[in-house]
Amino acid sequence: GAGVSQSPSNKVTEKGKDVELRCDPISGHTALYWYRQSLGQGLEFLIYFQGNSAPDKSGLPSDRFSAERTGGSVSTLTIQRTQQEDSAVYLCASSPGGHAVDEQFFGPGTRLTVL
Amino acid sequence: GDSVTQMEGPVTLSEEAFLTINCTYTATGYPSLFWYVQYPGEGLQLLLKATKADDKGSNKGFEATYRKETTSFHLEKGSVQVSDSAVYFCALSDQKTSGSRLTFGEGTQLTVNP
Repeated sequence: GAGVSQSPSNKVTEKGKDVELRCDPISGHTALYWYRQSLGQGLEFLIYFQGNSAPDKSGLPSDRFSAERTGGSVSTLTIQRTQQEDSAVYLCASSPGGHAVDEQFFGPGTRLTVL
Repeated sequence: GDSVTQMEGPVTLSEEAFLTINCTYTATGYPSLFWYVQYPGEGLQLLLKATKADDKGSNKGFEATYRKETTSFHLEKGSVQVSDSAVYFCALSDQKTSGSRLTFGEGTQLTVNP
């Protein structure tokens, strides 16, 4: 079946612009996660959704970052007023039930470059 | 808070060599432990997992045993192949303290030469 998909695959933007990153999880997965992978910081957790609710937003680095999930499916991560330090690969993952023992299935990522 | 420490990389081996990548963790609860792998040009995928002490996860010839007494989850393979060249990430998930989010180690780049 289809895996997790993300769009765009690459995004180049200018400092100060807003960007939206999209994630389509595996159908039926109730849990959705956003992570960020960068050279200096490794893989960092950003936010977790269970259904349309976000019980854990503790990883969002600043109030410029926000995310939503609609219909228990697609999620959008929005970064406002982008900064050069936001350059990274943004990964989305989904899992069947959001339990700690569950495998998380990762998408291919969106590579964001802020000039 | 929870944390994962992996051995310093990168690691370069010849084909058929024995592989060990060390991983230790800090957690206040009873975490589940994972090894994820990222092949060149591909996304992260689960390699193996263990959800309680003394469990052994295995897949594709790789093994790791959940050692609570040493807080470790070292990855081993008896005979590596060129196709095993990838970045390997140790990770934990601790439902009690941090829910189901994954906390990752730094990653270890493995290169296997023919």
